[in-house]
Amino acid sequence: EAAVTQSPRNKVAVTGGKVTLSCNQTNNHNNMYWYRQDTGHGLRLIHYSYGAGSTEKGDIPDGYKASRPSQENFSLILELATPSQTSVYFCASGEAYSQNTLYFGAGTRLSVL
Amino acid sequence: GMPVEQNPPALSLYEGADSGLRCNFSTTMKSVQWFQQNHRGRLITLFYLAQGTKENGRLKSTFNSKERYSTLHIKDAQLEDSGTYFCAAEANNNAPRFGAGTKLTVKP
Repeated sequence: EAAVTQSPRNKVAVTGGKVTLSCNQTNNHNNMYWYRQDTGHGLRLIHYSYGAGSTEKGDIPDGYKASRPSQENFSLILELATPSQTSVYFCASGEAYSQNTLYFGAGTRLSVL
Repeated sequence: GMPVEQNPPALSLYEGADSGLRCNFSTTMKSVQWFQQNHRGRLITLFYLAQGTKENGRLKSTFNSKERYSTLHIKDAQLEDSGTYFCAAEANNNAPRFGAGTKLTVKP
């Protein structure tokens, strides 16, 4: 069974602080994605990656950085967290060359106070 | 505009009823996926389609790339079908984009 693990599951941060959300996948998938979910918007794409060392901007990248140091790990970094970044964040992995079925982690609930 | 438009935003059914959800795409997509988000917030994959139609129990999904839409049909709705349903579509050389979701409530 494909496995995507996110940590932490819940996080409270202060405005202006640095937050790192981590994602690990054991699927050996090339593609990994970060989405955020807010009421009324569905899931919106922040950053994604096609493999170790690569990161691409999604639709709402401002205020976020991404890091893909290895095939298994993909991090989302908020250098200066703001209350508008309070949301639920989902990480997903997918295959590159066959059907790109997304496998999701359980999500991280982030509150920025 | 948004690449993926999903309708309706909300849907209420009685147990045993049939209904359908639809996603329209602003551009040609190479594939579509459908997910159910349960009450715990977990995203469950229902279907992946690159073309045509797939069925799984009481669920059936169709993807027409040329006409730029996909549908999810629920037959004989059950209480456990309640949740939010999302489609996500992928264009060539691009990452999957999601619709805004359909919140389904099944009533006894």
